[in-house]
Amino acid sequence: EAQVTQNPRYLITVTGKKLTVTCSQNMNHEYMSWYRQDPGLGLRQIYYSMNVEVTDKGDVPEGYKVSRKEKRNFPLILESPSPNQTSLYFCASRREREVVYEQYFGPGTRLTVT
Amino acid sequence: GQQVMQIPQYQHVQEGEDFTTYCNSSTTLSNIQWYKQRPGGHPVFLIQLVKSGEVKKQKRLTFQFGEAKKNSSLHITATQTTDVGTYFCAGRLVFGNEKLTFGTGTRLTIIP
Repeated sequence: EAQVTQNPRYLITVTGKKLTVTCSQNMNHEYMSWYRQDPGLGLRQIYYSMNVEVTDKGDVPEGYKVSRKEKRNFPLILESPSPNQTSLYFCASRREREVVYEQYFGPGTRLTVT
Repeated sequence: GQQVMQIPQYQHVQEGEDFTTYCNSSTTLSNIQWYKQRPGGHPVFLIQLVKSGEVKKQKRLTFQFGEAKKNSSLHITATQTTDVGTYFCAGRLVFGNEKLTFGTGTRLTIIP
């Protein structure tokens, strides 16, 4: 089954404790992206990657890191989480050279930083 | 700041009534997409519009892209309980740039 998976689905952590949220897709998509969703603000892009070893900042990259060492994986790293990073996070992927840029989203990771 | 705005933020309708959400951008869009997110779920792609003035239909859903490619709308005819969720538009603000900017979303609730 074609899908985007994220782990963990739920995470409660404390300020300053480094964490990684994994994202993996099995559709051989070139493009992957991370979003955060907050009430009243919709989905805001954190980082995106157009292919292996190619990453770029989205609209809200501060406090986050990403890497793209393999095509299928795009982990999101919070080196020193803070309470304002409490949010619902979505990973998404799509093919790069398509007429219709349909993005496939993962199930989401709900992160709480205390 | 947010460059793609959606109105209304919330909409409550009686089952069977129509529903419309509007998306407005401060700059010209190369294309616009619409997504639906069910409560507790993830966004799911509905459609993409590319051409100025384009209109597309999916059963009871009608999508329009404005002539100036700065606004779009989604209209649902005769809503059903299965239409519950949040509807997002997402636009590519600069042609050739891969960033997709999402609107703030419209949450639709249906009164049975």
